[in-house]
Amino acid sequence: GQQLNQSPQSMFIQEGEDVSMNCTSSSIFNTWLWYKQDPGEGPVLLIALYKAGELTSNGRLTAQFGITRKDSFLNISASIPSDVGIYFCAGLAVPGANSKLTFGKGITLSVRP
Amino acid sequence: DAGITQSPRHKVTETGTPVTLRCHQTENHRYMYWYRQDPGHGLRLIHYSYGVKDTDKGEVSDGYSVSRSKTEDFLLTLESATSSQTSVYFCAISFAGGGGTGELFFGEGSRLTVL
Repeated sequence: GQQLNQSPQSMFIQEGEDVSMNCTSSSIFNTWLWYKQDPGEGPVLLIALYKAGELTSNGRLTAQFGITRKDSFLNISASIPSDVGIYFCAGLAVPGANSKLTFGKGITLSVRP
Repeated sequence: DAGITQSPRHKVTETGTPVTLRCHQTENHRYMYWYRQDPGHGLRLIHYSYGVKDTDKGEVSDGYSVSRSKTEDFLLTLESATSSQTSVYFCAISFAGGGGTGELFFGEGSRLTVL
């Protein structure tokens, strides 16, 4: 089946640093999304990307839909303690209401004050 | 915040007992999903529903059944719980179908421990 690869499993950064996360696949996806899960909560959508090459920002977050449609990245600038959590990438291979999202396994981000 | 309520939030049960988890939404969204989250596996889709009485299997549906008799409620049942079903279960809803936009709204999760 289709898989989305996120690595490493965990990242540790200092408060104030920028961090970049990648999500890759051997298959083409037509929609890429990034979700964040705070400890003890459900995931929340951060950014959705619908067009190859698209670059979208949401505050300190910037995400890009790779031109090959096989990857996406998420940048967090000037990290703060509340950035701690699990970051999931997700993709849709085929648009359509009954199509199902594929999720990556997530990256756990820790921010040292 | 999307109006999604999961119950119970925590449950400990014994192997072989039946368990039902409930997801209730107040958004009138057509699409509802059940995921499980396990370390090293991320989020995996168990079952989903695209309307009342319309359900379909996800990638890890064995050992689970679902029912949706009303738009607002989506029930996940473990007929005979096993230790491998110890997990955190998340309900999600979508107004356009996750396959339409990929935008899902998740509940807060139900932590199930099967002893």
